[in-house]
Amino acid sequence: SQQGEEDPQALSIQEGENATMNCSYKTSINNLQWYRQNSGRGLVHLILIRSNEREKHSGRLRVTLDTSKKSSSLLITASRAADTASYFCATDDYGQNFVFGPGTRLSVLP
Amino acid sequence: NAGVMQNPRHLVRRRGQEARLRCSPVKGHSHVYWYRQLPEEGLKFMVYLQKENIIDESGMPKERFSAEFPKEGPSILRIQQVVRGDSAAYFCASSPRTGSTEAFFGQGTRLTVV
Repeated sequence: SQQGEEDPQALSIQEGENATMNCSYKTSINNLQWYRQNSGRGLVHLILIRSNEREKHSGRLRVTLDTSKKSSSLLITASRAADTASYFCATDDYGQNFVFGPGTRLSVLP
Repeated sequence: NAGVMQNPRHLVRRRGQEARLRCSPVKGHSHVYWYRQLPEEGLKFMVYLQKENIIDESGMPKERFSAEFPKEGPSILRIQQVVRGDSAAYFCASSPRTGSTEAFFGQGTRLTVV
């Protein structure tokens, strides 16, 4: 199976709830990045976390990285309908490979 | 990465040559996105195409770069007269239809300009 696999594949929540998405990978990485894909638009880069970092925040986003478990999580707090999108993690193994997972489709219901 | 094929995986070009990067989307997908990734940076959006149409090329350099997605065949990203600064990984993603948030990524083409 591939590097950078997100789970769940699909997630539906109510507005105001928190959404958590996970990403697992297999090889050593230099950094891990989370992206959002809205319908009809290109990817939006959300956050980059380096292999020596454990947690990063950006607004309502919180990303954690556990290199011992080769996993990362993306938490979106107080979700809004506008957060409806697909979310992808991508791993960068020191410039040799940059690989996307299949994504988590998040639906935030009003 | 379900079914998006990019080729070649690695491409070496001398300065001044042309580079052609191909992307075959998932069967049945009519939307293609191209991105460029510089080392240790995030992806940068380049262009969004539907069959035979360029929808958004706001991320494309004004000169030397062009993209097409013909009715038949793969999408092509063409870089003319390549320079060292064009060295990067180029990724394409395909999406099934307007309004879909789904996207499936290829493994990328790593372009090296020598």
